[in-house]
Amino acid sequence: AQKITQTQPGMFVQEKEAVTLDCTYDTSDQSYGLFWYKQPSSGEMIFLIYQGSYDEQNATEGRYSLNFQKARKSANLVISASQLGDSAMYFCAMREGLDSSYKLIFGSGTRLLVRP
Amino acid sequence: GAGVSQSPRYKVAKRGQDVALRCDPISGHVSLFWYQQALGQGPEFLTYFQNEAQLDKSGLPSDRFFAERPEGSVSTLKIQRTQQEDSAVYLCASSHGGGESPMNTEAFFGQGTRLTVV
Repeated sequence: AQKITQTQPGMFVQEKEAVTLDCTYDTSDQSYGLFWYKQPSSGEMIFLIYQGSYDEQNATEGRYSLNFQKARKSANLVISASQLGDSAMYFCAMREGLDSSYKLIFGSGTRLLVRP
Repeated sequence: GAGVSQSPRYKVAKRGQDVALRCDPISGHVSLFWYQQALGQGPEFLTYFQNEAQLDKSGLPSDRFFAERPEGSVSTLKIQRTQQEDSAVYLCASSHGGGESPMNTEAFFGQGTRLTVV
């Protein structure tokens, strides 16, 4: 079974509008962390935002916020006021608490295109 | 530089050739990860080092893949007798903590090495 599922291969958004990128996860660990990374065409993975499984508040970082619904096992990324520079691949990832290597498990990504 | 550095950025190898990919992590970072990213996919874990110890190599796809980090800093991922299915971007990441570090410890990624096997 997929541990991280991103069901939107591609998304369009108009500049200055908000967009939600979906992510669902599957784990039996009680302690885990959820991450979103941005990957522009240059290739590097840029960390955007983190949500811990015990965090009661949804994480926010500037224009990025994470809509964390633990019972539904979803961790959607919301980007407000989209900018042309937001066009990139976006990956949801999970780190499981019982995994001693703390490796990241990634989804297949969503390509976001911001239209001027 | 201050970030994770990988070399070469691009590598074209003939099928059957051996290749070596290098990763220079951020100075002082304890943890180092290698990931393989096939075209149009998310990165997949290959192996993890804590200092010079390779603690997890569960993601290495075959015994043709070998990684080392002999002095706990620079790491090399070696692929022997390359095959076409090895074509991918190989990403290296480092983080300052070890396995006991907080869950939110950020991993910093390099730009990757794009390997094409022809």
